Amino acid sequence: GNSVTQMEGPVTLSEEAFLTINCTYTATGYPSLFWYVQYPGEGLQLLLKATKADDKGSNKGFEATYRKETTSFHLEKGSVQVSDSAVYFCALTPSGGYQKVTFGIGTKLQVIP
Amino acid sequence: GAGVSQSPSNKVTEKGKDVELRCDPISGHTALYWYRQRLGQGLEFLIYFQGNSAPDKSGLPSDRFSAERTGESVSTLTIQRTQQEDSAVYLCASSLVPQSSYEQYFGPGTRLTVT
Repeated sequence: GNSVTQMEGPVTLSEEAFLTINCTYTATGYPSLFWYVQYPGEGLQLLLKATKADDKGSNKGFEATYRKETTSFHLEKGSVQVSDSAVYFCALTPSGGYQKVTFGIGTKLQVIP
Repeated sequence: GAGVSQSPSNKVTEKGKDVELRCDPISGHTALYWYRQRLGQGLEFLIYFQGNSAPDKSGLPSDRFSAERTGESVSTLTIQRTQQEDSAVYLCASSLVPQSSYEQYFGPGTRLTVT
């Protein structure tokens, strides 16, 4: 079956540090890949997505590249801010029409001033 | 425009009682999903609705759980004879069409506490 594996948190970084949250997946074909973010007290919202191999999704300074050869979709940001503190979820939807979205366990990021 | 709304935002109930959770998807979104998020865990798929098609109920954990949706509008998730392990945040999401590349829009969730 499909699965998403992401690094467990919490991850604690100082402001302006470089962030990487690893995400790898198992799926057949060419799934679409997503990063969702859940800020404290808020609902999940899409951060970025990529729908085919080698695509790079980007938003709010975050980037992730769809790597088919390594089945990865790592999230990166060059300089984190306190306001980036949240829980980040990697997710996939398989190709070929509707199928269930599979989410990773979520990685909590805490950025300290 | 309005996003996905859910009610109530919080629900405390006694073990054995029934609860009903409501979701209002974004207008025009044909697909609707329910998830459960237990403390410290990821999202657990429960059920999916698409138009008038038969729902995908494969994620419902037991026959105490059921859900309905009226056309392409409101959905209700019902948990009968609640148990303490049902305590979680229940999230509803909708998407414009159920294609793999389309994002899901999430509601704020209903926090259910079973005492």
